[in-house]
Amino acid sequence: AQSVTQLDSQVPVFEEAPVELRCNYSSSVSVYLFWYVQYPNQGLQLLLKYLSGSTLVKGINGFEAEFNKSQTSFHLRKPSVHISDTAEYFCAVTGSAGGTSYGKLTFGQGTILTVHP
Amino acid sequence: DSGVTQTPKHLITATGQRVTLRCSPRSGDLSVYWYQQSLDQGLQFLIQYYNGEERAKGNILERFSAQQFPDLHSELNLSSLELGDSALYFCASSAGGTSVLVGDTQYFGPGTRLTVL
Repeated sequence: AQSVTQLDSQVPVFEEAPVELRCNYSSSVSVYLFWYVQYPNQGLQLLLKYLSGSTLVKGINGFEAEFNKSQTSFHLRKPSVHISDTAEYFCAVTGSAGGTSYGKLTFGQGTILTVHP
Repeated sequence: DSGVTQTPKHLITATGQRVTLRCSPRSGDLSVYWYQQSLDQGLQFLIQYYNGEERAKGNILERFSAQQFPDLHSELNLSSLELGDSALYFCASSAGGTSVLVGDTQYFGPGTRLTVL
């Protein structure tokens, strides 16, 4: 079984400041990690994903995340946020441990990012 | 716009009733996933279909059922509704090729908000 813990339920930040949203996951033989964003009254949109290879993953809207296997973390970062980044962010994991998981996503509880002017 | 459509957008019904939520995946996608988002449980995987066949089951109640039709659209049926079933129900789709099911990007629809009174 896999699980995801998002360490902050809410993160307030001022416009143009850097931000980090923290995510830890339970270990598995092979794990695939995702960050999704949900704007108010909308569905989820993929920001970025890690499948293999370089541990630094770049996504849309200037976001990036670093996969750290020893720390079982996949923190999301942006060097300078905008008002339009205000949304809820979800970390998710899928993968297999000998069997086949068929891609179902296990989500964290979400982090609400609020960017203030 | 993810290309995934869900109808209806809102649904208000009474306890004990039965409803059907509909999802049309992105053109060419073979996998359909259903997720439930509620304040107390967060985002939870319910069930996955691949090319008409059930592939994975999550925390789906026995009162809930789903199917995927030959044209690949999917329906989620919720019966004997209870107040606690009030939630946002998302459908997602992915390409779902047999060798890349794990790690496939899932594209989410806008959701159906179900309110049980």
